[in-house]
Amino acid sequence: GDSVTQMEGPVTLSEEAFLTINCTYTATGYPSLFWYVQYPGEGLQLLLKATKADDKGSNKGFEATYRKETTSFHLEKGSVQVSDSAVYFCALQHTGNQFYFGTGTSLTVIP
Amino acid sequence: SQTIHQWPATLVQPVGSPLSLECTVEGTSNPNLYWYRQAAGRGLQLLFYSVGIGQISSEVPQNLSASRPQDRQFILSSKKLLLSDSGFYLCAGLTPGRTYEQYFGPGTRLTVT
Repeated sequence: GDSVTQMEGPVTLSEEAFLTINCTYTATGYPSLFWYVQYPGEGLQLLLKATKADDKGSNKGFEATYRKETTSFHLEKGSVQVSDSAVYFCALQHTGNQFYFGTGTSLTVIP
Repeated sequence: SQTIHQWPATLVQPVGSPLSLECTVEGTSNPNLYWYRQAAGRGLQLLFYSVGIGQISSEVPQNLSASRPQDRQFILSSKKLLLSDSGFYLCAGLTPGRTYEQYFGPGTRLTVT
């Protein structure tokens, strides 16, 4: 069945460091891929998305490229800020109405 | 734009008591609606989803139930809470054919004591 595997955390970085959070997926065909962010005590917010192979989603300095050949959708940011501290979830949507989420990666950015 | 409202924001309930969490949607019609549970330090577990009034699909057998009495209302219930029901409950929606992504409510923190 469909599934998402993402890098386990927690991840701690210094401000202005480079961020990569790995995400790979298992699905037949061509799912849509998403990254969501959850700030403490809040619901999830969509960060970026890609709906077909080779698409690059980007928002707030974050980027992720839909790689069909490696079934990956890794999240990157060139220079993290303290305000980026949150939990990040990779997700996929395939046929039907269901979404599949990874287990989340907690990021803490220290000044 | 679509907005999900959930209440209450936090809830503390004793074991064996009933539960009712409400989710409402504004800014769209005929959404698909979802209930997720997030246990401490863990990912999202899909509990129920609904594609229309009175249509509920259950993903995980448990002592919870869901109902959709109106197009934009989704309710999560339990007759008798267990300690293991503690968690962060999230309602989400999706408007088919209009957007690919789910939009989430602010969540309800449930503690069963």
